[in-house]
Amino acid sequence: AQSVAQPEDQVNVAEGNPLTVKCTYSVSGNPYLFWYVQYPNRGLQFLLKYITGDNLVKGSYGFEAEFNKSQTSFHLKKPSALVSDSALYFCDVRDKDTGFQKLVFGTGTRLLVSP
Amino acid sequence: GAGVSQSPSNKVTEKGKDVELRCDPISGHTALYWYRQSLGQGLEFLIYFQGNSAPDKSGLPSDRFSAERTGGSVSTLTIQRTQQEDSAVYLCASSLAVSSYNEQFFGPGTRLTVL
Repeated sequence: AQSVAQPEDQVNVAEGNPLTVKCTYSVSGNPYLFWYVQYPNRGLQFLLKYITGDNLVKGSYGFEAEFNKSQTSFHLKKPSALVSDSALYFCDVRDKDTGFQKLVFGTGTRLLVSP
Repeated sequence: GAGVSQSPSNKVTEKGKDVELRCDPISGHTALYWYRQSLGQGLEFLIYFQGNSAPDKSGLPSDRFSAERTGGSVSTLTIQRTQQEDSAVYLCASSLAVSSYNEQFFGPGTRLTVL
């Protein structure tokens, strides 16, 4: 069965600085990886996904994530944080080779960007 | 285009009452998912539908919870004899199909408060 870990409950960063939100995963086969964002009092929004191909994936709002197979990681990054990026971020992993299974999200990381 | 909609947006009920939560997925999406989120925390996967069929109901917290989907479209999540621990935000999502690589589109959620 697959699992995902978001080791940081909260990440604090100053506006204009680069940000990283960490995600590591475990699957028996090859992974599909997703990032979602939840702004206050709103549902989740899809940010980006890794399916195959280039390890660096670019998504919405200037975010990107790098798939690292050797480290089993899929960290979310942005070169310059905005106050409006403050939100709850969820990582999701699926096992490509075993088909659809019960969905597994990380516990979420709260990003706080200070002015 | 229209996204996933949920109703009601807020529901306050008394302990012991039954409640029904509704989800309208994006038109053409065959897969539909229900989650529960407590106090801005992580996502608890409840159940998914492929068409009108729910292959795995093991994620439902108790036999007080049930869900159905009709016409491959609208879904309802019913909680009987509500308890205070049922208080949470119930999120619905849909995707093109139940596959490992399709991202999900989430509704705004229903905030349930059981007094």
